[in-house]
Amino acid sequence: DGGITQSPKYLFRKEGQNVTLSCEQNLNHDAMYWYRQDPGQGLRLIYYSQIVNDFQKGDIAEGYSVSREKKESFPLTVTSAQKNPTAFYLCASSTGVGEKLFFGSGTQLSVL
Amino acid sequence: GDSVTQMEGPVTLSEEAFLTINCTYTATGYPSLFWYVQYPGEGLQLLLKATKADDKGSNKGFEATYRKETTSFHLEKGSVQVSDSAVYFCALSERNQGGKLIFGQGTELSVKP
Repeated sequence: DGGITQSPKYLFRKEGQNVTLSCEQNLNHDAMYWYRQDPGQGLRLIYYSQIVNDFQKGDIAEGYSVSREKKESFPLTVTSAQKNPTAFYLCASSTGVGEKLFFGSGTQLSVL
Repeated sequence: GDSVTQMEGPVTLSEEAFLTINCTYTATGYPSLFWYVQYPGEGLQLLLKATKADDKGSNKGFEATYRKETTSFHLEKGSVQVSDSAVYFCALSERNQGGKLIFGQGTELSVKP
């Protein structure tokens, strides 16, 4: 079955630690996105990539980094510079600009 | 910048009641408009979309009409079911901004038997 796989489902971060969230898609989509979801605040865009080897900052990129070395993969690293990382992180992909997004099932990140 | 505003939740209804969730938007161009639904512990799924003024999106008994004159895209359903309980997000996308989705804050719907 085609889809988007996020892992792990739950992740815990210690103070000063970098952690990486995985996102893989087998839909052959060009565009991929990372959103952060906080209770009562909807979704906010962290980074997006419209094509391999290219990505742009979203609205809340500080403290995060991404790479897009392969079409099917768009990992997100939450660095120690992100002071409030506890949130639900959602990865999505689409065939291109303005098309519908397909979402993964999310990763809940918590700070120990 | 572009933004989306939804009515605050939670919305609690009895089964078979009529549902309206209000959504208004601010955009510089001519956006596409979407409704996404999120069931507990899951990612979001597209519910319906409309790409130009006066378009009506519909799916699973839900409808929304793109109203450019009132910059609105209200979600409606004539008779809700317990299984419709979820969080509903209104969103817009503009091609001149890379097609990224801008979401409203979400409206939680709870349907009681």
